Amino acid sequence: NAGVTQTPKFRVLKTGQSMTLLCAQDMNHEYMYWYRQDPGMGLRLIHYSVGEGTTAKGEVPDGYNVSRLKKKQNFLLGLESAAPSQTSVYFCASGQTASTDTQYFGPGTRLTVL
Amino acid sequence: QKEVEQDPGPLSVPEGAIVSLNCTYSNSAFQYFMWYRQYSRKGPELLMYTYSSGNKEDGRFTAQVDKSSKYISLFIRDSQPSDSATYLCASDSGGGADGLTFGKGTHLIIQP
Repeated sequence: NAGVTQTPKFRVLKTGQSMTLLCAQDMNHEYMYWYRQDPGMGLRLIHYSVGEGTTAKGEVPDGYNVSRLKKKQNFLLGLESAAPSQTSVYFCASGQTASTDTQYFGPGTRLTVL
Repeated sequence: QKEVEQDPGPLSVPEGAIVSLNCTYSNSAFQYFMWYRQYSRKGPELLMYTYSSGNKEDGRFTAQVDKSSKYISLFIRDSQPSDSATYLCASDSGGGADGLTFGKGTHLIIQP
């Protein structure tokens, strides 16, 4: 039981490049989330999903797109044209219930955009 | 104004001391309150979870929620150097699946 895993762990991009971050969970959770964590800002929600094929915007969605795959344990975060403002640590989380009583986090992806 | 406020610290205490970490929140709809611990360059891990007001104890950790004053606390007894980490409080109304509202985190240092 690996919990929540994220790929890759580190990445450096140039401005304008694109990339996809992958999150996978093996707990059969319905709800999955992408957060970014910046110094002095705390964790902020980018997008989330309440089940296979569903996604919704969070607090800071601009510049990102997401997809929840048919194999519902996977949740992708895409950056179509990376900007230096997207330099951050990205965390994926999953939860079992709609009441959001608990969320389990992955180890994070450290992204630098030059 | 962020809905959950937390002093970023750092908070430095000697080993064995009782640690008190605190948050305030502004959204009266919040019913679920959590504390996460985050070690450097790691993901947050759930430490304590409380529903509504009251206390919850788990080993050396006690979480306390006072909804009348919108105050959330985490107490750590007999603090250890391994407790050195950033502690994040988080809240949610439970009305949907739209994520948690986090404080910015308090950096705690336990001096051996």
